[in-house]
Amino acid sequence: DTGVSQDPRHKITKRGQNVTFRCDPISEHNRLYWYRQTLGQGPEFLTYFQNEAQLEKSRLLSDRFSAERPKGSFSTLEIQRTEQGDSAMYLCASSSSYTEQFFGPGTRLTVL
Amino acid sequence: SQELEQSPQSLIVQEGKNLTINCTSSKTLYGLYWYKQKYGEGLIFLMMLQKGGEEKSHEKITAKLDEKKQQSSLHITASQPSHAGIYLCGADILWNGDAGGTSYGKLTFGQGTILTVHP
Repeated sequence: DTGVSQDPRHKITKRGQNVTFRCDPISEHNRLYWYRQTLGQGPEFLTYFQNEAQLEKSRLLSDRFSAERPKGSFSTLEIQRTEQGDSAMYLCASSSSYTEQFFGPGTRLTVL
Repeated sequence: SQELEQSPQSLIVQEGKNLTINCTSSKTLYGLYWYKQKYGEGLIFLMMLQKGGEEKSHEKITAKLDEKKQQSSLHITASQPSHAGIYLCGADILWNGDAGGTSYGKLTFGQGTILTVHP
């Protein structure tokens, strides 16, 4: 069990650019979650996959955000036309059904 | 999240002292999870509580969930500098608010409690 991994760990980009983050969950976990955390706040739910199906999306997830989980394994989160307000820590978590979620180290995004 | 209130927001204690962090939900919970976070890092799972009245302990940390499944507390006995960090409660809130409701597994988090332990 190597845990949940995320890549990159840090991303600095200019406003208007597109960015993509990757999450590799624990291999036997069928559930995958994306959260966003800003300074001084707890993580906020963005979206949820069960296997390859995206079953829920938060209202926080604007049209500029898209997430995929092809083949029910790794997942990607893409942000198009980034804005300064997108600066945050993006966290990925995975779990089996009805068990605790295990979090990755996060990707810290800074939009200049 | 206004659905989950965590208190206090910060706590400074002397090494060896006991402390308690509280987490209160306005809705019935399917499950309550406690995590610890170091600044700029991911969340480390501590404990999961699902049954009303449940209590779990690990080393010097004890977590409880009340009978109504709306309040939880995290208690640290004889705190150490290694306990310092941000403690977060995460709630799996029942979708329609009753015992027969559906959980989708997503977690709603409190704002976190910043714990400082002075040696």
